[in-house]
Amino acid sequence: AQSVTQLGSHVSVSEGALVLLRCNYSSSVPPYLFWYVQYPNQGLQLLLKYTSAATLVKGINGFEAEFKKSETSFHLTKPSAHMSDAAEYFCAVSGPLYNFNKFYFGSGTKLNVKP
Amino acid sequence: NAGVTQTPKFRILKIGQSMTLQCTQDMNHNYMYWYRQDPGMGLKLIYYSVGAGITDKGEVPNGYNVSRSTTEDFPLRLELAAPSQTSVYFCASSHPEQGLTEAFFGQGTRLTVV
Repeated sequence: AQSVTQLGSHVSVSEGALVLLRCNYSSSVPPYLFWYVQYPNQGLQLLLKYTSAATLVKGINGFEAEFKKSETSFHLTKPSAHMSDAAEYFCAVSGPLYNFNKFYFGSGTKLNVKP
Repeated sequence: NAGVTQTPKFRILKIGQSMTLQCTQDMNHNYMYWYRQDPGMGLKLIYYSVGAGITDKGEVPNGYNVSRSTTEDFPLRLELAAPSQTSVYFCASSHPEQGLTEAFFGQGTRLTVV
């Protein structure tokens, strides 16, 4: 089974500072990788995804993530945090081959943005 | 397009009662999923379906049942509600055959069992 580890259940940054949310996966074959954002009392919204094309993936709201096979990582970054970025972020993995119909999620990281 | 629609949004059940969480999608996606979300635990897969008439267990299926009679609908049934089933439930869909590798989520159903 695949697993996803998100380091840090809570991350706090100042407005304008770099955002870095960490995600590592365990899989013998490069999977599909996703970052989702969840605002309070809402569903999950896709930020970006990696599906074996470019290793640097750009998403919505200025977020990007880099797939590093050697490190089995898919960390999420944003150069300058905005107050509206405060939310919970989930890393997820699916694929490949016969198992691509299941999504496995990390435990989430709550991002707090200080004024 | 409405996307993935879940009803109800909130529900309080007494121990031992039963209920069905409804999920429908209008995107003609083959794959559908039920997840539960508990604080600090992320999302855990309860059941999934790869098409009408085909369902399979996920990571935490005990206490739940599903059916998939149409492409659009994927209801989740709780037969004997227990406090451990207090959670937020999300339905999702995807369609990898059309390059839609990501999951599209509904807004969730917040269930409390007392």
